[in-house]
Amino acid sequence: DTAVSQTPKYLVTQMGNDKSIKCEQNLGHDTMYWYKQDSKKFLKIMFSYNNKELIINETVPNRFSPKSPDKAHLNLHINSLELGDSAVYFCASSRDPLSYEQYFGPGTRLTVT
Amino acid sequence: GQNIDQPTEMTATEGAIVQINCTYQTSGFNGLFWYQQHAGEAPTFLSYNVLDGLEEKGRFSSFLSRSKGYSYLLLKELQMKDSASYLCAVRDLITGGGNKLTFGTGTQLKVEL
Repeated sequence: DTAVSQTPKYLVTQMGNDKSIKCEQNLGHDTMYWYKQDSKKFLKIMFSYNNKELIINETVPNRFSPKSPDKAHLNLHINSLELGDSAVYFCASSRDPLSYEQYFGPGTRLTVT
Repeated sequence: GQNIDQPTEMTATEGAIVQINCTYQTSGFNGLFWYQQHAGEAPTFLSYNVLDGLEEKGRFSSFLSRSKGYSYLLLKELQMKDSASYLCAVRDLITGGGNKLTFGTGTQLKVEL
C-alpha cells in the first residue's frame, strides 16, 4: 500500500509549457506539503496545506500554484516553465501541522529543456 | 531565518561508528530532525529531538544541545546499506499554529568494506 503517491514520476517538458504534478495520501493525514530538491540536493519547503487551507507559502514565483481539492490531495501547477524549475519535487504529509514525522512521496523529477 | 551546517560528505568503514554533526541558528526552535535519503529515493524520518540529550533508536542515536545550537547523529555497526545522504532539519513554529521544517544540505555518507 502506497502511503504518499505522486504522478508523474518523471516529467520532461519544454520551457514555457504549463504542467501539473499530483499528490495523494491515504494515511488520513490533515497536513500536506510540497518541497523542491535542486541539483545540489538542497530540500526546501514551498507550500503546506492543512485541511485544504494554505498555511505555509514560501517565497516562490507565483507561476507555482498549489491546489488542495480535499485533504487527501495536494496538486502543484506550474505555469510558464523555466530551466531553473528543473528539480525533484517531493510531496509529503503529516498527521497535523505539529506532528513531528512527515511522510514523503517518491518524488517527481521535472526536467525543463 | 535559519542557518544549518553539516559536512558535505563522510566516509566510514563497515562495522564502525560514525558521527555526523549539525549546527544551526534559528529564531523559533521547535525541534531538530534527522532524515535519511538514499540516492533517487524520498527522505525517510530517522529521529527527532526537542529536549537536550540523547535519543537512541537501535543502531541510530541523535543528540541535541539547544544552548549550543548543535546536534549529531550517531550510527553504530555501520552496514553498506547505510550509505546515503543524512539530512539535518530544524523545525520552527510559524504564525497560525503550523510548523516549518528547514533542511540542511545533507551529509553524503559512504560506507566502505
